[in-house]
Amino acid sequence: SQTIHQWPATLVQPVGSPLSLECTVEGTSNPNLYWYRQAAGRGLQLLFYSVGIGQISSEVPQNLSASRPQDRQFILSSKKLLLSDSGFYLCAWREGGGRWQPQHFGDGTRLSIL
Amino acid sequence: DQQVKQNSPSLSVQEGRISILNCDYTNSMFDYFLWYKKYPAEGPTFLISISSIKDKNEDGRFTVFLNKSAKHLSLHIVPSQPGDSAVYFCAANNQGGKLIFGQGTELSVKP
Repeated sequence: SQTIHQWPATLVQPVGSPLSLECTVEGTSNPNLYWYRQAAGRGLQLLFYSVGIGQISSEVPQNLSASRPQDRQFILSSKKLLLSDSGFYLCAWREGGGRWQPQHFGDGTRLSIL
Repeated sequence: DQQVKQNSPSLSVQEGRISILNCDYTNSMFDYFLWYKKYPAEGPTFLISISSIKDKNEDGRFTVFLNKSAKHLSLHIVPSQPGDSAVYFCAANNQGGKLIFGQGTELSVKP
């Protein structure tokens, strides 16, 4: 069966520091991968998605970037964090290919910027 | 422009009764609709989905109804259990394969 791992679970970072959040999926090949952010009291906002290695689409302009160095690895990064980057970050995957499948989420990273 | 809306931020229901969670959308081109359940400090868990060509899908205690003319989606949980207490998100799949989420409804099932 497929599993998705996200780490760390919580992170406290000072303003201006760099960020790297990692997500890996097991048990599938060539998945579609997604990064979302949930702000307090709000729904999930799609930040990035990827349909293959090195292929990244950005949904909203922001201080973050994403990379997919391997088929089942998705990384969210920032060179300099802002206070507004605080939030709950979620990675998700779904089967690639034409047939529609629901997305499945990791357990998220709670990021606090001080 | 919020394409998917959950207008009730919270809902409280007695154990054993029916919980009805509602969702409205604006884009008639959405092809699938989904419900996710989320506990604090965890990621959302997929519950149930429905294709836009159907009007009902059932899975155990969970039933999703789709009214395309009203652009309205609802999730029925019968009977409700205390373990169902969580935040429920509806989501719609657009033609680009991306999910658009509502803001969530916090369900509290009281014993």
